[in-house]
Amino acid sequence: RKEVEQDPGPFNVPEGATVAFNCTYSNSASQSFFWYRQDCRKEPKLLMSVYSSGNEDGRFTAQLNRASQYISLLIRDSKLSDSATYLCVVNMGNTGGFKTIFGAGTRLFVKA
Amino acid sequence: EAGVAQSPRYKIIEKRQSVAFWCNPISGHATLYWYQQILGQGPKLLIQFQNNGVVDDSQLPKDRFSAERLKGVDSTLKIQPAKLEDSAVYLCASSLEPGQGRQPQHFGDGTRLSIL
Repeated sequence: RKEVEQDPGPFNVPEGATVAFNCTYSNSASQSFFWYRQDCRKEPKLLMSVYSSGNEDGRFTAQLNRASQYISLLIRDSKLSDSATYLCVVNMGNTGGFKTIFGAGTRLFVKA
Repeated sequence: EAGVAQSPRYKIIEKRQSVAFWCNPISGHATLYWYQQILGQGPKLLIQFQNNGVVDDSQLPKDRFSAERLKGVDSTLKIQPAKLEDSAVYLCASSLEPGQGRQPQHFGDGTRLSIL
């Protein structure tokens, strides 16, 4: 089992739709969680951190479920510009510090 | 604030040649990371530095890859000799605090490496 797994995608949705991505992690000692966005041939960019109580930033909502060991990202009112790959990132405790694991990413295509 | 700087942006070499990449993290960032991203996959951590010490290099192919971070600032990643499967984008990232990884990472533009 991979340490971090994401929905395989791709997700093809019309503008205005609501879409949700899930990401599961295997290490229950994982400490911090992030969602990154990566456009084609570009570097990953931080979309949002994921807090224990859940957090929202405009049309984006992130949630953490420690009991079931997954995080989610909800995008409301999808825009064409939301088309990208969404990467789940988990930081796990490690000897001397922490270890960062990226998911393989979920591709989203928003259509007009 | 200036972002993470990487060079070169692109590199094409033949197999068995050597290549080096350079990274200058955001000023004051203690932790520096090198990732390998193969097309269609998420970034894979190669090595993580905290200041000038190595925290994690468990996925670094040490027979051919090496990295250093002199004086806890700039870093170089070297491949010698290169293999066809090393074709990928090499990303450098940095984050502000050491410790528990609660600060997000900021990425450079990456170096796109093609092995012929």
